[in-house]
Amino acid sequence: RKEVEQDPGPFNVPEGATVAFNCTYSNSASQSFFWYRQDCRKEPKLLMSVYSSGNEDGRFTAQLNRASQYISLLIRDSKLSDSATYLCVVNSQTGANNLFFGTGTRLTVIP
Amino acid sequence: GAVVSQHPSWVICKSGTSVKIECRSLDFQATTMFWYRQFPKQSLMLMATSNEGSKATYEQGVEKDKFLINHASLTLSTLTVTSAHPEDSSFYICSARGFSGGGGGDTQYFGPGTRLTVL
Repeated sequence: RKEVEQDPGPFNVPEGATVAFNCTYSNSASQSFFWYRQDCRKEPKLLMSVYSSGNEDGRFTAQLNRASQYISLLIRDSKLSDSATYLCVVNSQTGANNLFFGTGTRLTVIP
Repeated sequence: GAVVSQHPSWVICKSGTSVKIECRSLDFQATTMFWYRQFPKQSLMLMATSNEGSKATYEQGVEKDKFLINHASLTLSTLTVTSAHPEDSSFYICSARGFSGGGGGDTQYFGPGTRLTVL
């Protein structure tokens, strides 16, 4: 079983739509959780960390459910510039900071 | 914020040659650097973890004699792909973790990646 599994996508949504991505992880001892954004042929960039209580950053809301080993990302009022691949990332080794990446979910926001 | 650079950004080489990729942390000292590889439409896969001044730790299935990693200073790590073959063609990304006033902290900062094409 993969360490991190994500919705395969792709998601094609109109501007202004709300879209949600889901992710599950296999290691119950995982310590840290993140969403990264990766544009085509570019490196991943940290979008936001995911905290147990859930957290929001502008139009982006991340949720973590440790019992279900489930992470989500909600994007409200989608912009054209949100088009990218969103990577669910989990740190599964305490102290080693070894990040495990999901395969990513491709989002295309359509005018 | 912390910045990590990679050089070159892309390289095309003939089969059998060796290619060296540099990864530098520009405004913080990176005690640990990571090397990833990403094939098209796949996730990043960790190849190895390198700590300054010690031998790299390679992930299962990654040949240490083929992918030579050197982390000689706190700001520089190099990955050398020896005797490259077409199947080594991929996007190689480094990341660095360290501590600085700029907030290197626990976040891994990624380099812009190096696209390797082996003919």
